[in-house]
Amino acid sequence: GAVVSQHPSRVICKSGTSVKIECRSLDFQATTMFWYRQFPKKSLMLMATSNEGSKATYEQGVEKDKFLINHASLTLSTLTVTSAHPEDSSFYICSAREREWEQYFGPGTRLTVT
Amino acid sequence: KQEVTQIPAALSVPEGENLVLNCSFTDSAIYNLQWFRQDPGKGLTSLLLIQSSQREQTSGRLNASLDKSSGRSTLYIAASQPGDSATYLCAVSSYKLIFGSGTRLLVRP
Repeated sequence: GAVVSQHPSRVICKSGTSVKIECRSLDFQATTMFWYRQFPKKSLMLMATSNEGSKATYEQGVEKDKFLINHASLTLSTLTVTSAHPEDSSFYICSAREREWEQYFGPGTRLTVT
Repeated sequence: KQEVTQIPAALSVPEGENLVLNCSFTDSAIYNLQWFRQDPGKGLTSLLLIQSSQREQTSGRLNASLDKSSGRSTLYIAASQPGDSATYLCAVSSYKLIFGSGTRLLVRP
């Protein structure tokens, strides 16, 4: 089956710094990738949809200047949390879509901002 | 705006029981519905995907049904095992996936 990886799996950063999370589709080309955020014991909330070579589409309430998304190739999307604050601590999950209806999810990245 | 609700929020059963997890959605204009499993601190594992034209899908001890007109889906787990303990999420797709809040399942040995 299709595999999506995320790196890093865990990251701890200091308040005010920026951190980049990578999402890669390992054995297929993904024209669309999605970024989700999950708070403890809560469901996944879609943050943004990124299409290769174009600007990401952000969901209502998500600050595009804070969560920078780049989808530079058909196998890589990055999420950069800029000027991170403790409230940005969360579990971030990406997914990649190969066909119209199938999404494959990455293992997630645990971000802790101290 | 699509809303997905899962009931119950948490469930604890003894090993061996058959159980049903419920998912409801407000907008029937969907491409498909998926059930996922999530272990603590981990990503999502896709369990079953039901296309909008289908009524059910089966995989091993799992059976998922879809009634699009009434906006409901159920996930049936037969002969539950402690290894089934996890959070089960349903999600409906209409270009983007909208997730329910999940059911936390504990199967007691």
